[in-house]
Amino acid sequence: DQQVKQNSPSLSVQEGRISILNCDYTNSMFDYFLWYKKYPAEGPTFLISISSIKDKNEDGRFTVFLNKSAKHLSLHIVPSQPGDSAVYFCAASDSGGSNYKLTFGKGTLLTVNP
Amino acid sequence: EAQVTQNPRYLITVTGKKLTVTCSQNMNHEYMSWYRQDPGLGLRQIYYSMNVEVTDKGDVPEGYKVSRKEKRNFPLILESPSPNQTSLYFCASSPQALNTEAFFGQGTRLTVV
Repeated sequence: DQQVKQNSPSLSVQEGRISILNCDYTNSMFDYFLWYKKYPAEGPTFLISISSIKDKNEDGRFTVFLNKSAKHLSLHIVPSQPGDSAVYFCAASDSGGSNYKLTFGKGTLLTVNP
Repeated sequence: EAQVTQNPRYLITVTGKKLTVTCSQNMNHEYMSWYRQDPGLGLRQIYYSMNVEVTDKGDVPEGYKVSRKEKRNFPLILESPSPNQTSLYFCASSPQALNTEAFFGQGTRLTVV
């Protein structure tokens, strides 16, 4: 039972254009969401997060949107740069749960072409 | 430099030979956890620890043990490794359990033959 879904295994965009990575979740108890970026041979690094009390959070070129009614969040990268090429993981947590963990999606490989 | 350090980075071992993967963080974080990453499955939590001497099972704890005798260290122990434990392992720490980012180590690629 996959509670966090990233349905696009890969995405390819041109440098300078917008990258939109999508994530859906099924557990309505999730109330905190994060995006991580992972380069080959490295651990995941935190990118941006959003609490369920918000619908948007912005940090430089990165913006995360949360649609609670649709149980959907998206990460927008504008403008995309070749250095953004990596695997992006969506993660979620339930602050009221007894098992304190992040539930991850399977990841989306983003390729930004020069 | 704030970091989570795992050792070894790469390990090939044989079935049944006990091994330990070490994890250490220098950020005085209370919360630590172990994940494994497998193709097509993303990252799945193995065990977590909310503080010294407090550990609990994650989603895939079978075949693993952990200990948290000191705040900075959280080793992962495979008492009798099997080929299905061949995976990429990540240790993570965070200042608290909830609503905060986790910092990940660089990973340990384990192959059990």
